[in-house]
Amino acid sequence: GAVVSQHPSWVICKSGTSVKIECRSLDFQATTMFWYRQFPKQSLMLMATSNEGSKATYEQGVEKDKFLINHASLTLSTLTVTSAHPEDSSFYICSARMDSPDTQYFGPGTRLTVL
Amino acid sequence: LAKTTQPISMDSYEGQEVNITCSHNNIATNDYITWYQQFPSQGPRFIIQGYKTKVTNEVASLFIPADRKSSTLSLPRVSLSDTAVYYCLVATAYSSASKIIFGSGTRLSIRP
Repeated sequence: GAVVSQHPSWVICKSGTSVKIECRSLDFQATTMFWYRQFPKQSLMLMATSNEGSKATYEQGVEKDKFLINHASLTLSTLTVTSAHPEDSSFYICSARMDSPDTQYFGPGTRLTVL
Repeated sequence: LAKTTQPISMDSYEGQEVNITCSHNNIATNDYITWYQQFPSQGPRFIIQGYKTKVTNEVASLFIPADRKSSTLSLPRVSLSDTAVYYCLVATAYSSASKIIFGSGTRLSIRP
């Protein structure tokens, strides 16, 4: 149990295009999901907290208009990187929070490369 | 949010028991401790979670002293496949505002 999936697992796009990443909790409902970004050899950096049915809460320094988050259901959250640029290339990881026990489970990550 | 401090790296050999200690001096009453394992280009994998004393599952044990200002992840009889980064995290239980902030983690290298 407690499986979180992400799609796609990797994506390559041209600069200026938008990319959508999906995060799904497959066997539990998640009121809250989180989005992280990880650069090589670094730790995970929290970007935003996504709550079902409400606006996401972004961490300081994360542009909400660039990283659009939609948490449309209790099993799906999406992150859209708008007008992507090479500096947005990174490993994006989502997590879904199980209510009981209170535990976060992480997706496998999405490797984004912007050319 | 309670800040966590772990050793940056550790080395050990196959078959040994490895103990990774994490300090979290300002842990709050409602905070719990969770450990994750991460391999390169993968998402973190849940290992174990606890609030106090000792927790054991099929892969690890978690020791938490009475003051809860530190915790120790114990991996019995490690193998090469246990080479990974291990993160100790503290979060507030059952709080809608709770979030996990990752520290630098401990890079564990297992040698034959």
